[in-house]
Formats: sequence, C-alpha cells, structure tokens
Amino acid sequence: SQTIHQWPATLVQPVGSPLSLECTVEGTSNPNLYWYRQAAGRGLQLLFYSVGIGQISSEVPQNLSASRPQDRQFILSSKKLLLSDSGFYLCAWSPMDRSSGYTFGSGTRLTVV
Amino acid sequence: GENVEQHPSTLSVQEGDSAVIKCTYSDSASNYFPWYKQELGKGPQLIIDIRSNVGEKKDQRIAVTLNKTAKHFSLHITETQPEDSAVYFCAGNSGGSNYKLTFGKGTLLTVNP
Repeated sequence: SQTIHQWPATLVQPVGSPLSLECTVEGTSNPNLYWYRQAAGRGLQLLFYSVGIGQISSEVPQNLSASRPQDRQFILSSKKLLLSDSGFYLCAWSPMDRSSGYTFGSGTRLTVV
Repeated sequence: GENVEQHPSTLSVQEGDSAVIKCTYSDSASNYFPWYKQELGKGPQLIIDIRSNVGEKKDQRIAVTLNKTAKHFSLHITETQPEDSAVYFCAGNSGGSNYKLTFGKGTLLTVNP
C-alpha cells in the first residue's frame, strides 16, 4: 500500500533562518506531488505541484521554493523565513492515472518567531 | 480557473441528526469532486468522492450528490456521532485536470452529544 511521510511534525524557527521540509511517498511510482499551506482560517492554499522529477509549478509567488530531486521526494524550502510564513504545511500525492484523489501527509506546524 | 464555494462555514447539530454541506463550482469542465475530513492537528483525509458520470454515491452514513447542470454537489451525513466533529472540505478538479484540485474554504461541523 502507499504511504506518505512528512517531517518534522512541528518546527519553530527564527525570522531570517532557512527552511527545509521534506516529504516522501512509498509504494507508488511517478506520483503527482503537492505542497499546501493552511493558515488559521482553515483554507487550503496550493503552493507548488509537480508532475515529474524536476518539474515544479508555482501557484503563488512568495518566499518559498520547491524541488523534486527524486521521483517520490518533494522538498519545500526557504532561504530566509518571514513571520508570515508561519502556518500548517501539508504535502500530498495523487496517482498519475486519476484512480483516486489526493492523500495528504500529517502536516508540519511551522512557527516563525 | 475553478472557483469552489462551500456553505455553511460552521454547522452545529445534535447527535443523531443529519448534516448537509453544500458546494458550488464554476468550471463546467470539472469532473471529479472529493470530500475531505480534517481533525484537529492532522492532515485532511479523503472520505468520499464522486465523478461526473454519476449523480449520487453512498458509503454507510455518508453520501454525496452531484447536480452537473446546477454545478453543485453536497455531502450528507446521517445519524451523526460526536466523532464526526471535524472540518470538512469539498474540492473540484480544475478544468478536468488530472492533478489539480481547488478546495472550498471548509465547514466546521460540531456534533453535540
């Protein structure tokens, strides 16, 4: 069966520090991968998605970037965090063949102080 | 692009009552509509989905209906239980995309014992 791992679960970082959040998927090949941010107001904001290695689409211009160095690995990064980067970050995957919807990871609670 | 509106934003019911959450979408090319349940501090979990070639789908106490003409779909939960309390999100696939979902803003459902 397929599983998605996301870490760390919580993170407190000072303003101006770098960020690296990692997400990996097991049990499937060539998944579509996504990064979402969820602010306190509940909405799910799509940040990046990837349909293949090295292919990244950005939905919202911001202080963050994403990379997909391997087929089942998706990384969210920042060189210098801002206070406004605080939030709940969710990684998700979906199969290429549209056989099912998204499966989300357990999320990372990021607090920038 | 796709726009998904979700109502109500909060819903409070007594245990055993039914709950209905409604969503409308704008893109007539959308053909896949999943529903997610998110418990506090966790990632959203897919609970049911429907494709545009059917009008209704049921899974035990949960059902989803789709009206393609009116571009709206609804989640119905019968015999609600306290463990149904969570935030529920609807979504539609933008432009019939294989990989891109647009989410509603969520409904906080509270089931009172």
